[in-house]
Amino acid sequence: GDSVTQMEGPVTLSEEAFLTINCTYTATGYPSLFWYVQYPGEGLQLLLKATKADDKGSNKGFEATYRKETTSFHLEKGSVQVSDSAVYFCALSHFLTFQGAQKLVFGQGTRLTINP
Amino acid sequence: DVKVTQSSRYLVKRTGEKVFLECVQDMDHENMFWYRQDPGLGLRLIYFSYDVKMKEKGDIPEGYSVSREKKERFSLILESASTNQTSMYLCASKTGADYGYTFGSGTRLTVV
Repeated sequence: GDSVTQMEGPVTLSEEAFLTINCTYTATGYPSLFWYVQYPGEGLQLLLKATKADDKGSNKGFEATYRKETTSFHLEKGSVQVSDSAVYFCALSHFLTFQGAQKLVFGQGTRLTINP
Repeated sequence: DVKVTQSSRYLVKRTGEKVFLECVQDMDHENMFWYRQDPGLGLRLIYFSYDVKMKEKGDIPEGYSVSREKKERFSLILESASTNQTSMYLCASKTGADYGYTFGSGTRLTVV
């Protein structure tokens, strides 16, 4: 079945450091790929997405490129801030039914802490 | 903005109790989902619904049931709560035409 594997956390960085969170997936066909972020005490929010190979998703300074040849969707940011401290989830999706119900398969999450 | 509201942030229940977790969305979304979130396991799908009175099992439906009598409301039911159901429960909704889920803030359930 489909699966998503993220790098082990927690990750601790200093402010303005470069961030990479690795994500690889196993899936049949051509899934869509997502990064979600969960700030303390809140639900998940969609951070960025890519729906086909070589697409680059970007938002709030974060980027990720859909690499089909390496089945990867690594999250990057050039200069992190304290406010980026959160748990980050990589996910993939396929459409389940003709009605459009779409199942998301999540990685285990990576906790990121940014120190000032 | 779409809002997904979960009725309780924290719940403590006793083993064997019947537990209801409620979720309401305000944007007429067709699809609604219940996930549980556990450390090191990410989010796992319990049940989903693509229309009123329609439901489908997810990856871990055992010990749970759901109800969707109205489009805006999707309830998760623990028929007889057990300690291994202690977890964070997240509800989400989406339209059929869009890829993004909207999540509620979660209900942290402790079964003692």
